[in-house]
Amino acid sequence: GENVEQHPSTLSVQEGDSAVIKCTYSDSASNYFPWYKQELGKRPQLIIDIRSNVGEKKDQRIAVTLNKTAKHFSLHITETQPEDSAVYFCAASNQGGKLIFGQGTELSVKP
Amino acid sequence: DAGITQSPRHKVTETGTPVTLRCHQTENHRYMYWYRQDPGHGLRLIHYSYGVKDTDKGEVSDGYSVSRSKTEDFLLTLESATSSQTSVYFCAISDGGRGTEAFFGQGTRLTVV
Repeated sequence: GENVEQHPSTLSVQEGDSAVIKCTYSDSASNYFPWYKQELGKRPQLIIDIRSNVGEKKDQRIAVTLNKTAKHFSLHITETQPEDSAVYFCAASNQGGKLIFGQGTELSVKP
Repeated sequence: DAGITQSPRHKVTETGTPVTLRCHQTENHRYMYWYRQDPGHGLRLIHYSYGVKDTDKGEVSDGYSVSRSKTEDFLLTLESATSSQTSVYFCAISDGGRGTEAFFGQGTRLTVV
């Protein structure tokens, strides 16, 4: 079955710096790769996603890249702000709808 | 927010007792999921459903069963609760089509003592 590995588990950056979180997946049939942000005590919420027919997608300060050959995808956050501090999860899904998450990255942005 | 409600929101139960958590949606989405969240483990899939009476196992299905008798409701049952099942449980829904975003419920904090 699908396995998603996420690194690093914790990441601390200074405000204004960039943050990069990386994930790898095992199932070559996976075709949808969302990223979720979870603030303390709240539910995970989608921040950006990418489908397998696209190599990169941007939304303001957030971007995601996908390398299908290597089976890895990454989240890039530029100009980080304290409100970006949260736990971020990557996930992978195939046509069957099974959605598997990585272990999460706790991002801390220091003012 | 998507129309998804989990009940109860908090529960304390004793080891060995059966427990059922309910997930209710008003979005008519095809897919429904149950995850558990524990420190250091992220969100682990317990079971998911791709239609009424159609379910499949996830990564950590042992000790759990599910049922989906109608589109709106997805029930998670712990047949005989153990302390290792103390966790926060999240339900999620997705339409599984081009709009494949999964929306999460508020979560249920379950403590098994």
